[in-house]
Amino acid sequence: GPKVLQIPSHQIIDMGQMVTLNCDPVSNHLYFYWYKQILGQQMEFLVNFYNGKVMEKSKLFKDQFSVERPDGSYFTLKIQPTALEDSAVYFCASSLGLGGRVSQNTLYFGAGTRLSVL
Amino acid sequence: GEKVEQHESTLSVREGDSAVINCTYTDTASSYFPWYKQEAGKSLHFVIDIRSNVDRKQSQRLIVLLDKKAKRFSLHITATQPEDSAIYFCAASIQNVLYFGSGTKLTVEP
Repeated sequence: GPKVLQIPSHQIIDMGQMVTLNCDPVSNHLYFYWYKQILGQQMEFLVNFYNGKVMEKSKLFKDQFSVERPDGSYFTLKIQPTALEDSAVYFCASSLGLGGRVSQNTLYFGAGTRLSVL
Repeated sequence: GEKVEQHESTLSVREGDSAVINCTYTDTASSYFPWYKQEAGKSLHFVIDIRSNVDRKQSQRLIVLLDKKAKRFSLHITATQPEDSAIYFCAASIQNVLYFGSGTKLTVEP
């Protein structure tokens, strides 16, 4: 079936550094999402993105976070600067986005990027 | 915002038995309830969903039930097989945001 690829699978960085997590969504999908999962806890919504814009974001999507998808390439999540509490697994997802509602469009997830901030 | 509780963190059944995973949600505005499965080392994979205009849906060995009054929904896996072993996540959506439960690790023992 359709695949969402996340690169890298694991990233280790020092606190205060910048990190970019990359997501290669399903090729004809229009809606993109990032979720964050701290070990042992629920996967929590960060942000969704459509037509070059953030549509919705949660309170977890701090000012240090940004997303973009320049020229239809990777959908990226950038954290600058990173903090210890950013350590988590970050899941990217995409959907066709028809009508803009998740109930109309199955989300396809990547396998996650484990971010370790030291 | 919406909170989704997934009651069983682990569940172990014998092959051939049924498995039931229960979830509750808080926001009456939630209208769509998908279930995802995650096998070891792999990404989440959609398995089945139910919309708020029905209270039951079946797809082969999977049955989802929705009780809107109790704000509860459940996944029933009948005639379980070892390949059903995985972590199952329930979710509820409002508009364009999916809120997930914390996952249930299902082990099907031969």
